[in-house]
Amino acid sequence: NAGVTQTPKFRVLKTGQSMTLLCAQDMNHEYMYWYRQDPGMGLRLIHYSVGEGTTAKGEVPDGYNVSRLKKQNFLLGLESAAPSQTSVYFCASSWGQPNEQFFGPGTRLTVL
Amino acid sequence: GENVEQHPSTLSVQEGDSAVIKCTYSDSASNYFPWYKQELGKRPQLIIDIRSNVGEKKDQRIAVTLNKTAKHFSLHITETQPEDSAVYFCAPTSGTYKYIFGTGTRLKVLA
Repeated sequence: NAGVTQTPKFRVLKTGQSMTLLCAQDMNHEYMYWYRQDPGMGLRLIHYSVGEGTTAKGEVPDGYNVSRLKKQNFLLGLESAAPSQTSVYFCASSWGQPNEQFFGPGTRLTVL
Repeated sequence: GENVEQHPSTLSVQEGDSAVIKCTYSDSASNYFPWYKQELGKRPQLIIDIRSNVGEKKDQRIAVTLNKTAKHFSLHITETQPEDSAVYFCAPTSGTYKYIFGTGTRLKVLA
């Protein structure tokens, strides 16, 4: 039982490049979330999903897209990376709502 | 939108002393009140939570108290130990799938 996993752990991009972050959970959770964490700002919700095939915007969705084609996976895409997207990205999942969120180990992204 | 504030932003205590962190929220529909602990370089992990029909919950050295009228809830850690040093986040929610995290409280336990 791996819980929530994220790929990759680290990534450096140049401005304008694109990439996809993968989140996977093996707990059969319906709800999945993507957050970004910046120093002194806590965790901010980017997008979330309440089930396979559904996505919705969170607090800071601009510049990101997501997809939930399979229940266990939640993908976060950056189409044209900007230095302002330098951050640590956390994925999380949970049972029904509201309930404890289980977080992945995070992805540290640097955009030059 | 919802507003969540945590106080203090940093807290230093001597080992063995108690620590209290307060979280104030604005959404009166909030009904779930968790506290997460994040050690340096690690992921956030739930340490205790409470629902709106309960006023207080305790788990060994950790407790959470809720005052729905005043819209705040607090984390209490007794007999602090060096391993309690971390950043603590509150994340009250009303069940709309959106968790609004506080900006965090950095707790330092001095040996």
